[in-house]
Parts: sequence; structure tokens; C-alpha cells
Amino acid sequence: GESVGLHLPTLSVQEGDNSIINCAYSNSASDYFIWYKQESGKGPQFIIDIRSNMDKRQGQRVTVLLNKTVKHLSLQIAATQPGDSAVYFCAERSREGGGADGLTFGKGTHLIIQP
Amino acid sequence: GAGVSQSPRYKVAKRGQDVALRCDPISGHVSLFWYQQALGQGPEFLTYFQNEAQLDKSGLPSDRFFAERPEGSVSTLKIQRTQQEDSAVYLCASSLGYSNQPQHFGDGTRLSIL
Repeated sequence: GESVGLHLPTLSVQEGDNSIINCAYSNSASDYFIWYKQESGKGPQFIIDIRSNMDKRQGQRVTVLLNKTVKHLSLQIAATQPGDSAVYFCAERSREGGGADGLTFGKGTHLIIQP
Repeated sequence: GAGVSQSPRYKVAKRGQDVALRCDPISGHVSLFWYQQALGQGPEFLTYFQNEAQLDKSGLPSDRFFAERPEGSVSTLKIQRTQQEDSAVYLCASSLGYSNQPQHFGDGTRLSIL
């Protein structure tokens, strides 16, 4: 089946800089997208979500951009901090064919914050 | 408030044994999901409940995997006759159940089959 993928498996940024994590999806029927942060030994932690009828959504220090034309999703983190170091996953949901609410995850991007 | 709680946090079993993994969702959450996460990979969907009804079990890898949520709250994922390839982290998530509500995850059960 179609799945979400990520461009870069590892991203290293300097503390205080902004970071951008990218994600490509292939299922045009996906209508809801979520970014999760996962630290070692813990479950995915919800960061921010966006519906397919939006192209931008902002949270605290984070912004998600959705480009449906090229099926691209990005997560921008402003002024990165050491605590931002983690693996970031994008996930999509498709209700094509009346399917379930189960999410399809990408492989993840490991964000490393350099001091 | 309390998040999604999973137990045990770690489980070691010998190949061929049966295991049961428990999930306590966030109070009031209608929807409950199970995912399997292999090392270095993203979670993969296994099954989904709305209240006590199992609406989708398309992700269960074999008939050795069975999930239930008899009273619409706590859920149990059971794996019979475990095999080495079942070794993974099993994650549970819950959501309010309304359209476009985020799923909130527990910290998972790390299952190791020897």
C-alpha cells in the first residue's frame, strides 16, 4: 500500500537555529496529517496536526506546512533546544474506501541538536 | 490527567509461549488503536476499536494475534505461540473518536521473544 516517507533520516542543527523536517506522502486520499516526536524508550508524542483543507498551522515554536500539489509535509521548529533532540515521524490518515482511522507512519527523521 | 498506560513495560517470552499486553486508554477516549514498532522503524497499524467494537483488524499479521476491548475501555492484545519475528515494541493509542482528533500514545510494551 501507499505510505508516508521522509527525505532525510538524520538532521543535525545548531542549538538556537531553526530546523525543518520534510515528509513526502503518496496517498492523495489522505485527509489528516500529524507530526509526532519520539524519544528513546517512549511512545510517540503528539506535536501538531493539520487537516487537508489547510496549508499551514502554527503551534508553540512549531509550524506545519502542507502542500497538496506536490504531496509534501514539513515541520518547522524555531529556536531549537537540546530537548528537541528526538526522532520525528509524520503520519497520515486516509479514509479511502471507508477505511479505518489507523495512521500510516514514515520511517522517521532523527533530529540532533548540536550545542 | 493520566495518559495512556501500558503494561508490562517489558516482556520476555520463550518462542511458542502466549503473551498478553494490556492498554489503559485515556479516560473518555472512544477510539483505541494498537501499533507494532520494529527497531528503527515507524509504528505500523494493527487494529482499531471504537468503544468495544473492533472496526478494523486488517493490520494484524496473522491469526496468532488477537485483540479485545470487552467493556469499551481497557484493551488486551494477545499473541499466541509467539515467534522471534514478533519481537517489537507494541504501542497503544487512544483518541476522542471524533473526526480529526489526534491519537495519544502510551510508552509501549517491549516484547522480546527468545
